Amino acid sequence: SQQGEEDPQALSIQEGENATMNCSYKTSINNLQWYRQNSGRGLVHLILIRSNEREKHSGRLRVTLDTSKKSSSLLITASRAADTASYFCATDAGIIQGAQKLVFGQGTRLTINP
Amino acid sequence: DGGITQSPKYLFRKEGQNVTLSCEQNLNHDAMYWYRQDPGQGLRLIYYSQIVNDFQKGDIAEGYSVSREKKESFPLTVTSAQKNPTAFYLCASSIGQPRNQPQHFGDGTRLSIL
Repeated sequence: SQQGEEDPQALSIQEGENATMNCSYKTSINNLQWYRQNSGRGLVHLILIRSNEREKHSGRLRVTLDTSKKSSSLLITASRAADTASYFCATDAGIIQGAQKLVFGQGTRLTINP
Repeated sequence: DGGITQSPKYLFRKEGQNVTLSCEQNLNHDAMYWYRQDPGQGLRLIYYSQIVNDFQKGDIAEGYSVSREKKESFPLTVTSAQKNPTAFYLCASSIGQPRNQPQHFGDGTRLSIL
């Protein structure tokens, strides 16, 4: 089944630096979504990028999508301690029985050091 | 405030026992989902439901059961047939249609074996 694979598995940077996470997937998609998960909590939706879009911004977040390479990247600029979390990409595997099926990657654990 | 409420936050299961995890949403979403997350891993889909009284198996449905008697509620039962139930369980919902919508998550239930 198609699955987002994320790279790196873990990333540790200094506060103020930029953080880049990558996601690769296997088959064509309708959209790709990025989520954040703080330790012991649920996932929070960050950005959704459609297959016909190449770049999207939301505050300090920038997402790119290259459908020819089946890859996406999430850039967090000017990182803060509060950005410490796990970040997951999820690919839209299509509508199945009327519900949207997302397939999640294993995530990137981001640590921001003060 | 609209959202998804999962309860309990922590749950312990004895051998041979069935346990039920609660998921309630007041977002008026049609679609609801149950995911399992193991340590350091992404999310795997257990069951999903598009409308009341209808639900479908996800990728790892064996040992689990669900019901959808009300739009707001989608409880998950972990049966004694699930031999490795220790995990973090997440419930989510989405509008369902149109496509390209994010999923909204609860804060999860952590299930352990006594």
